[in-house]
Amino acid sequence: AQSVSQHNHHVILSEAASLELGCNYSYGGTVNLFWYVQYPGQHLQLLLKYFSGDPLVKGIKGFEAEFIKSKFSFNLRKPSVQWSDTAEYFCAVNRGSTLGRLYFGRGTQLTVWP
Amino acid sequence: GAGVSQSPSNKVTEKGKDVELRCDPISGHTALYWYRQRLGQGLEFLIYFQGNSAPDKSGLPSDRFSAERTGESVSTLTIQRTQQEDSAVYLCASTPEGGGRYEQYFGPGTRLTVT
Repeated sequence: AQSVSQHNHHVILSEAASLELGCNYSYGGTVNLFWYVQYPGQHLQLLLKYFSGDPLVKGIKGFEAEFIKSKFSFNLRKPSVQWSDTAEYFCAVNRGSTLGRLYFGRGTQLTVWP
Repeated sequence: GAGVSQSPSNKVTEKGKDVELRCDPISGHTALYWYRQRLGQGLEFLIYFQGNSAPDKSGLPSDRFSAERTGESVSTLTIQRTQQEDSAVYLCASTPEGGGRYEQYFGPGTRLTVT
């Protein structure tokens, strides 16, 4: 079965700390990769995505992610977090097909203390 | 413009009853997805509609679950004879076209509680 693993279920940081959230997937073929974020009381929204090309992609609000094909990983990073980054973060994988279904990880709750 | 809307926002039902959940996608979006999220879990794919193509029903967990879509507009997810394990947030998403490279625009979800 396809799976997407997010290793950290709850991360607590102070403002200005650096962030890295892990994401690994088990599918060996071509993939499209996404990070979605859900801020408190809001809908899920796209943070960034990777399809091809430069494996380091930049998203909104200073987030970036690096695709490492050999490690089946797509880790999310931010050099300096803010209180407003408090949210739940979901990694999602599409199997590169014409079908758009996404496989999601369980999510990581990030809490940033001011 | 308007985003994806879902109704009701909350639904409490007794075990064994049928429920209908509604999704209005963004106007002009041809692809529509249903997911569910159980407590502490990631989103689980249920069904995918793309234009006039046959829907991808591969994620429906049992024959108690069904969904319809009228053209490229409203979709209804029906759960018959609800069970407690059906309690979850049901999310709908839409994209301009089918395929895996589009950002999925999510609605606010319907929280279903089966008592």
